[in-house]
Amino acid sequence: RKEVEQDPGPFNVPEGATVAFNCTYSNSASQSFFWYRQDCRKEPKLLMSVYSSGNEDGRFTAQLNRASQYISLLIRDSKLSDSATYLCVVRGQGAQKLVFGQGTRLTINP
Amino acid sequence: EPEVTQTPSHQVTQMGQEVILRCVPISNHLYFYWYRQILGQKVEFLVSFYNNEISEKSEIFDDQFSVERPDGSNFTLKIRSTKLEDSAMYFCASVRDTNTEAFFGQGTRLTVV
Repeated sequence: RKEVEQDPGPFNVPEGATVAFNCTYSNSASQSFFWYRQDCRKEPKLLMSVYSSGNEDGRFTAQLNRASQYISLLIRDSKLSDSATYLCVVRGQGAQKLVFGQGTRLTINP
Repeated sequence: EPEVTQTPSHQVTQMGQEVILRCVPISNHLYFYWYRQILGQKVEFLVSFYNNEISEKSEIFDDQFSVERPDGSNFTLKIRSTKLEDSAMYFCASVRDTNTEAFFGQGTRLTVV
Protein backbone atom coordinates (compact mmCIF):
# COMPACT_ATOMS: atom_id res chain seq x y z
CA ARG A 1 0.00 0.00 0.00
CA LYS A 2 1.30 3.45 -0.91
CA GLU A 3 2.17 5.72 2.03
CA VAL A 4 -0.01 8.53 0.67
CA GLU A 5 -2.54 7.84 -2.05
CA GLN A 6 -4.52 10.29 -4.14
CA ASP A 7 -6.78 10.05 -7.14
CA PRO A 8 -4.40 11.14 -9.92
CA GLY A 9 -7.20 12.65 -12.00
CA PRO A 10 -7.07 14.65 -14.14
CA PHE A 11 -10.10 16.62 -13.06
CA ASN A 12 -11.53 19.01 -15.66
CA VAL A 13 -14.28 21.22 -14.28
CA PRO A 14 -15.94 24.46 -15.39
CA GLU A 15 -15.21 27.74 -13.69
CA GLY A 16 -17.43 28.22 -10.66
CA ALA A 17 -17.79 24.52 -9.94
CA THR A 18 -17.06 22.84 -6.63
CA VAL A 19 -14.40 20.16 -6.68
CA ALA A 20 -13.30 17.71 -4.00
CA PHE A 21 -10.05 15.82 -3.62
CA ASN A 22 -9.50 12.79 -1.44
CA CYS A 23 -6.37 11.33 0.05
CA THR A 24 -5.58 8.37 2.27
CA TYR A 25 -2.42 7.66 4.24
CA SER A 26 -1.09 4.39 5.61
CA ASN A 27 0.98 5.42 8.64
CA SER A 28 -1.33 5.81 11.63
CA ALA A 29 1.48 7.56 13.54
CA SER A 30 1.38 10.52 11.14
CA GLN A 31 1.00 13.80 12.97
CA SER A 32 0.91 16.66 10.47
CA PHE A 33 -1.10 17.00 7.32
CA PHE A 34 -0.96 19.52 4.51
CA TRP A 35 -2.27 20.36 1.09
CA TYR A 36 0.29 21.87 -1.26
CA ARG A 37 -0.28 23.04 -4.81
CA GLN A 38 2.24 22.71 -7.58
CA ASP A 39 2.14 24.58 -10.84
CA CYS A 40 3.79 23.05 -13.88
CA ARG A 41 7.56 22.68 -13.33
CA LYS A 42 7.45 24.83 -10.19
CA GLU A 43 8.04 24.11 -6.53
CA PRO A 44 5.29 22.89 -4.20
CA LYS A 45 3.68 25.74 -2.30
CA LEU A 46 1.67 25.36 0.87
CA LEU A 47 -2.05 25.76 0.32
CA MET A 48 -3.14 24.94 3.84
CA SER A 49 -2.39 22.83 6.87
CA VAL A 50 -5.09 20.36 7.86
CA TYR A 51 -6.30 20.12 11.44
CA SER A 52 -8.38 17.47 13.17
CA SER A 53 -11.24 19.90 13.65
CA GLY A 54 -11.26 20.79 9.97
CA ASN A 55 -10.34 24.21 8.71
CA GLU A 56 -11.38 26.69 6.09
CA ASP A 57 -9.49 29.38 4.22
CA GLY A 58 -11.73 31.35 1.91
CA ARG A 59 -12.94 29.01 -0.82
CA PHE A 60 -10.86 26.11 0.47
CA THR A 61 -11.94 23.65 3.15
CA ALA A 62 -9.80 20.81 4.46
CA GLN A 63 -10.92 17.89 6.59
CA LEU A 64 -9.04 15.18 8.43
CA ASN A 65 -10.40 11.88 9.66
CA ARG A 66 -7.73 10.19 11.75
CA ALA A 67 -9.78 7.05 12.36
CA SER A 68 -10.14 6.45 8.62
CA GLN A 69 -6.73 7.95 7.80
CA TYR A 70 -8.40 10.14 5.25
CA ILE A 71 -7.85 13.77 4.22
CA SER A 72 -9.97 15.87 1.92
CA LEU A 73 -9.84 19.23 0.20
CA LEU A 74 -12.88 21.07 -1.13
CA ILE A 75 -12.60 24.00 -3.49
CA ARG A 76 -15.74 26.08 -3.94
CA ASP A 77 -16.44 28.57 -6.72
CA SER A 78 -13.36 27.45 -8.61
CA LYS A 79 -11.31 30.03 -10.55
CA LEU A 80 -9.13 29.62 -13.61
CA SER A 81 -6.14 30.31 -11.36
CA ASP A 82 -6.94 27.19 -9.33
CA SER A 83 -5.65 25.06 -12.20
CA ALA A 84 -2.66 23.18 -10.75
CA THR A 85 -1.66 19.86 -9.26
CA TYR A 86 -2.81 19.41 -5.67
CA LEU A 87 -0.50 17.44 -3.42
CA CYS A 88 -1.58 15.66 -0.27
CA VAL A 89 1.35 15.68 2.16
CA VAL A 90 1.78 13.84 5.44
CA ARG A 91 4.48 13.95 8.09
CA GLY A 92 5.32 11.85 11.13
CA GLN A 93 6.35 13.33 14.45
CA GLY A 94 8.26 16.56 14.79
CA ALA A 95 10.24 17.62 11.76
CA GLN A 96 10.37 14.22 10.09
CA LYS A 97 10.30 14.01 6.31
CA LEU A 98 7.25 15.01 4.33
CA VAL A 99 5.66 12.17 2.37
CA PHE A 100 3.90 13.25 -0.81
CA GLY A 101 1.03 11.74 -2.68
CA GLN A 102 1.36 11.56 -6.44
CA GLY A 103 -0.83 14.62 -6.83
CA THR A 104 -4.20 15.30 -8.43
CA ARG A 105 -4.16 17.45 -11.52
CA LEU A 106 -6.96 20.00 -11.77
CA THR A 107 -7.88 22.06 -14.82
CA ILE A 108 -10.54 24.75 -14.55
CA ASN A 109 -12.17 25.50 -17.89
CA PRO A 110 -13.67 28.91 -18.80
CA GLU B 1 8.67 37.49 2.51
CA PRO B 2 11.67 35.27 3.28
CA GLU B 3 12.24 32.46 0.83
CA VAL B 4 14.43 29.48 0.11
CA THR B 5 16.74 30.14 -2.83
CA GLN B 6 18.43 27.56 -5.01
CA THR B 7 21.18 27.80 -7.59
CA PRO B 8 21.57 27.07 -10.38
CA SER B 9 18.05 26.95 -11.78
CA HIS B 10 19.18 24.56 -14.49
CA GLN B 11 22.29 22.40 -14.73
CA VAL B 12 23.29 20.19 -17.63
CA THR B 13 26.07 17.73 -16.94
CA GLN B 14 27.69 14.75 -18.59
CA MET B 15 27.18 11.30 -17.15
CA GLY B 16 29.88 10.51 -14.59
CA GLN B 17 30.54 14.14 -13.68
CA GLU B 18 30.10 15.58 -10.21
CA VAL B 19 27.50 18.27 -9.55
CA ILE B 20 26.82 20.46 -6.56
CA LEU B 21 23.39 21.92 -6.05
CA ARG B 22 23.18 24.88 -3.72
CA CYS B 23 20.45 26.11 -1.42
CA VAL B 24 20.11 29.01 1.00
CA PRO B 25 17.38 28.13 3.49
CA ILE B 26 15.31 30.71 5.35
CA SER B 27 17.60 32.22 7.96
CA ASN B 28 15.85 31.24 11.21
CA HIS B 29 14.96 27.73 10.07
CA LEU B 30 16.52 24.72 11.75
CA TYR B 31 15.64 21.71 9.58
CA PHE B 32 16.71 21.26 5.99
CA TYR B 33 15.73 18.78 3.31
CA TRP B 34 16.42 17.71 -0.23
CA TYR B 35 13.68 16.23 -2.38
CA ARG B 36 13.65 15.28 -6.02
CA GLN B 37 10.93 14.97 -8.63
CA ILE B 38 11.48 13.02 -11.81
CA LEU B 39 9.38 14.47 -14.64
CA GLY B 40 5.79 13.29 -14.35
CA GLN B 41 6.36 11.55 -11.03
CA LYS B 42 5.77 12.42 -7.41
CA VAL B 43 8.03 14.39 -5.10
CA GLU B 44 10.42 12.00 -3.33
CA PHE B 45 12.34 12.53 -0.11
CA LEU B 46 16.13 12.25 -0.28
CA VAL B 47 17.58 13.47 3.01
CA SER B 48 16.94 15.60 6.07
CA PHE B 49 19.58 17.56 7.98
CA TYR B 50 19.48 19.01 11.47
CA ASN B 51 22.14 20.29 13.83
CA ASN B 52 24.85 19.77 11.22
CA GLU B 53 24.16 16.12 10.62
CA ILE B 54 21.91 13.89 8.58
CA SER B 55 18.81 12.97 10.57
CA GLU B 56 17.15 10.74 8.00
CA LYS B 57 17.82 9.52 4.46
CA SER B 58 15.94 7.49 1.90
CA GLU B 59 17.14 4.48 -0.04
CA ILE B 60 17.64 6.79 -3.01
CA PHE B 61 20.33 8.66 -1.05
CA ASP B 62 23.15 6.20 -1.64
CA ASP B 63 26.92 6.65 -1.50
CA GLN B 64 26.99 8.90 -4.55
CA PHE B 65 25.06 11.58 -2.66
CA SER B 66 26.28 13.80 0.15
CA VAL B 67 25.08 16.93 1.89
CA GLU B 68 26.77 19.58 3.92
CA ARG B 69 26.22 23.01 5.40
CA PRO B 70 29.74 24.38 5.25
CA ASP B 71 29.24 27.96 6.36
CA GLY B 72 26.00 28.04 8.33
CA SER B 73 24.21 29.54 5.37
CA ASN B 74 24.47 27.37 2.25
CA PHE B 75 23.09 23.85 2.24
CA THR B 76 24.52 21.78 -0.60
CA LEU B 77 23.72 18.49 -2.28
CA LYS B 78 26.60 16.81 -4.08
CA ILE B 79 26.14 14.00 -6.57
CA ARG B 80 29.54 12.42 -7.12
CA SER B 81 29.16 10.53 -10.35
CA THR B 82 25.93 11.41 -12.09
CA LYS B 83 23.82 8.84 -13.91
CA LEU B 84 21.18 9.40 -16.57
CA GLU B 85 18.49 8.47 -14.04
CA ASP B 86 19.58 11.34 -11.77
CA SER B 87 17.90 13.74 -14.21
CA ALA B 88 15.14 15.40 -12.19
CA MET B 89 14.07 18.57 -10.40
CA TYR B 90 15.82 18.85 -7.07
CA PHE B 91 14.04 20.86 -4.40
CA CYS B 92 15.52 22.16 -1.20
CA ALA B 93 13.16 22.82 1.71
CA SER B 94 13.47 24.23 5.18
CA VAL B 95 11.34 24.13 8.31
CA ARG B 96 11.47 26.56 11.22
CA ASP B 97 10.64 24.10 13.97
CA THR B 98 8.75 20.90 14.59
CA ASN B 99 5.24 20.57 13.21
CA THR B 100 5.43 23.71 11.05
CA GLU B 101 5.15 23.73 7.30
CA ALA B 102 8.03 23.29 4.89
CA PHE B 103 9.02 26.03 2.47
CA PHE B 104 10.49 24.96 -0.84
CA GLY B 105 13.01 26.60 -3.10
CA GLN B 106 12.20 27.04 -6.77
CA GLY B 107 14.25 23.96 -7.64
CA THR B 108 17.24 23.03 -9.77
CA ARG B 109 16.52 21.15 -12.95
CA LEU B 110 19.34 18.66 -13.42
CA THR B 111 19.79 17.13 -16.85
CA VAL B 112 22.35 14.35 -17.20
CA VAL B 113 23.38 13.63 -20.80
